[in-house]
Parts: sequence; C-alpha cells; structure tokens
Amino acid sequence: EADIYQTPRYLVIGTGKKITLECSQTMGHDKMYWYQQDPGMELHLIHYSYGVNSTEKGDLSSESTVSRIRTEHFPLTLESARPSHTSQYLCASSHRRGGGTGELFFGEGSRLTVL
Amino acid sequence: AQSVTQLDSHVSVSEGTPVLLRCNYSSSYSPSLFWYVQHPNKGLQLLLKYTSAATLVKGINGFEAEFKKSETSFHLTKPSAHMSDAAEYFCVVRGGTGNQFYFGTGTSLTVIP
Repeated sequence: EADIYQTPRYLVIGTGKKITLECSQTMGHDKMYWYQQDPGMELHLIHYSYGVNSTEKGDLSSESTVSRIRTEHFPLTLESARPSHTSQYLCASSHRRGGGTGELFFGEGSRLTVL
Repeated sequence: AQSVTQLDSHVSVSEGTPVLLRCNYSSSYSPSLFWYVQHPNKGLQLLLKYTSAATLVKGINGFEAEFKKSETSFHLTKPSAHMSDAAEYFCVVRGGTGNQFYFGTGTSLTVIP
C-alpha cells in the first residue's frame, strides 16, 4: 500500500471560488507530480517538483499553481475555479533514478466539479 | 525521445479467456517500463515493472509482461481473465533527459461474463 494521500477525494464548488487540493506522502520521495485526467482519458502532467523549493510546469498548460515548502507536501491551488477545471487530479511521487525502485506511487485522486 | 503507444483503446474478452494488452515504446536509452491499472474513481496501481533484469516480468493478480527489445514492445498478458480485471490499463516508460515518465493513452478492458 502506497503512503500517498490526497484530500479532498471529491469536491463540488461554485465558479470563482479558490480551492486547494492537498497531497502528502510519507515515503521521503523527492519527486512529486500532479496529473490531470478527464473521465476515460489519458493522464496529462500539469506540475512536478524535484524537491523542496523546486516546481516546474508540465506538458499541459494549467491555470493552477503548486508549492513545495516541505518534502512530504505538494498542494495544488486554483485561485478562481471555472467549469473548465472540472476533472480528476492525481498526485504521485517517486524516487530519483539512483534510489528506490523507480516507479510512480499514486494517490487515490481528487475529483473536482465546478458548477 | 521517449514515447509509448498502446495499440488498442478498448479490449473485450470473455471471463476465463486470455488477456493481451499491447504496448510499444520508443526510447533513446535503456528504459524502465511499467504497467498500471486504474479502477473507476481510483488512483493508478502498479501491476508490474521492468528495470533491465529478467525480460519476463511477473506482476500482481496473475499478470505478466515480456520486454522485447528487438520489437520495442512490452505487452501485458494474463492467462485467464476475471471479472475484477475490468479496468483501465496504462503502459508507462521512464527514461530520457530528466528521467521523466511517459504515459500511453490507456486501454479499457471489458470482461464479459
């Protein structure tokens, strides 16, 4: 069982609200990721981090922002939610290549619905 | 450059029959390869991984995959499908500059009773 946790699992919110999706891992992984996934669709990388104070944008442009103040914590924030942000957001973590077994560990996901 | 192609977007099998989900990859380096499964409203769970050891990799729930460098393939198989195998499956390659992960577009597996 992977030790990576996402909250909330489900969120329904009105347009214009600010939301933060939380992601925490207890495995000491240095790399963390956020993926966006629409139902039945492929995953798109929107943000990643190599470690504390490191954040990078992924392949899919996103209006969300992330921060990495602590190794174990990688929250994603939307300052003003819109219906186009409705999606599932998956958080993941991994070791760097030189350590660990190399795979991604995923949280259970946060399903966001913006009305 | 790294890339992954899952050759079938949907596969349908009868319960008790074999499963074959196809994946081809492109990699400039010796890649690590993975198969993940995703059940509805869940995150992705690792089924198995290849990291340059044995080319035939055994995973959880009776799944296995064979790394074939000459064919650049990493197909997922299971001898006998179970109803609980119905899910979305993703083939993933890790490699290249920055050692990033590259996902296939997924294969939806339906198991018919």
